[in-house]
Amino acid sequence: EAGVTQFPSHSVIEKGQTVTLRCDPISGHDNLYWYRRVMGKEIKFLLHFVKESKQDESGMPNNRFLAERTGGTYSTLKVQPAELEDSGVYFCASSYDRGGSGNTIYFGEGSWLTVV
Amino acid sequence: LAKITQPISMDSYEGQEVNITCSHNNIATNDYITWYQQFPSQGPRFIIQGYKTKVTNEVASLFIPADRKSSTLSLPRVSLSDTAVYYCLVRTSRTGFQKLVFGTGTRLLVSP
Repeated sequence: EAGVTQFPSHSVIEKGQTVTLRCDPISGHDNLYWYRRVMGKEIKFLLHFVKESKQDESGMPNNRFLAERTGGTYSTLKVQPAELEDSGVYFCASSYDRGGSGNTIYFGEGSWLTVV
Repeated sequence: LAKITQPISMDSYEGQEVNITCSHNNIATNDYITWYQQFPSQGPRFIIQGYKTKVTNEVASLFIPADRKSSTLSLPRVSLSDTAVYYCLVRTSRTGFQKLVFGTGTRLLVSP
């Protein structure tokens, strides 16, 4: 069974440009999450989708970040325009159930973003 | 949200037992304690999860005291391949809502 896949694995863009990160969750997982770690900081929650609906987007840093999950399958996270402080690694994760404690949250390998 | 602290790094030798303790003083009643392992250039990988007392699986044990303000991940007989960063997390779960709060991570170095 394929795990959570993310694309691109690495991206280098200039300040002011746009980058779109894609995440394909494990098949059948309703829950999809985005997390990120910027330089020197902990991994932090960005947002949570249940199918195509944004369940919790309290971690989104500002309106330069836009996440979508059309059709409830894959998700994209767009950063526009990118700033230097956006550099870091963006993790996508997915899980099966809508609640409870028993379901494992699986992470992808991450998309490493460098803004220069 | 729970504030989570854990040691920045630990050193061990092959074959030893390693115990990593994590503090989560503000943990809420419905929160679970979860540990993940991360290798360089990879995503975090689930190790173990618990609510109270002791949980054991094929790779680790998790000890949680009654007040649940701390937890200890125990790795029996570590090998070189256990060198990684270990994250203590608090998992908040309720219907339709789930969030992981990551600790700072403990970098474990296992030497021959």
